[in-house]
Amino acid sequence: DQQVKQNSPSLSVQEGRISILNCDYTNSMFDYFLWYKKYPAEGPTFLISISSIKDKNEDGRFTVFLNKSAKHLSLHIVPSQPGDSAVYFCAASTGSARQLTFGSGTQLTVLP
Amino acid sequence: KAGVTQTPRYLIKTRGQQVTLSCSPISGHRSVSWYQQTPGQGLQFLFEYFSETQRNKGNFPGRFSGRQFSNSRSEMNVSTLELGDSALYLCASSRWGAKNEQYFGPGTRLTVT
Repeated sequence: DQQVKQNSPSLSVQEGRISILNCDYTNSMFDYFLWYKKYPAEGPTFLISISSIKDKNEDGRFTVFLNKSAKHLSLHIVPSQPGDSAVYFCAASTGSARQLTFGSGTQLTVLP
Repeated sequence: KAGVTQTPRYLIKTRGQQVTLSCSPISGHRSVSWYQQTPGQGLQFLFEYFSETQRNKGNFPGRFSGRQFSNSRSEMNVSTLELGDSALYLCASSRWGAKNEQYFGPGTRLTVT
């Protein structure tokens, strides 16, 4: 039973354009959401997070949107750069529990 | 500030053996969590420690255990290794507080033959 789903295994985007990565969740108790980027043979790198009391959080080129009624979040990267090519994971947690539940990841390829 | 460090980075073990992995969190971070990443199951939560106490445990058999020391460093142990335990084991640290932003180490790649 996947509580966090990333339905697109891969995404290709032209350099300079917007990348939109999507994530859906089923557990309505999730109240904190995060995005990580991962290169092969490395640990995930924290990118940006959002609390369930907000619907948007922005940090430089990265913006996360949360739609609680649809149980959906998305990560926008503008403009996309070749160095952004990596696997992106969304993750969620509940209350004070530190356990992160991860999606299966989306491989983003930014074409020069 | 130094990031999360994990040792060893690579390990090859034989079925039936046991293994101990080590994690040093970011200075000032007192919560340490462990995750297993495999191609089939993705990233899965193993357990979390804070103040030398296990606070939360994922759905893994009792062969997987861990501990945390007074300096927040943590170890995880896997006994009676099985082929299916081959994975990347990741440690993450975080401050104890409202924001659950966890910072990951590079991982230990365990291969069981």
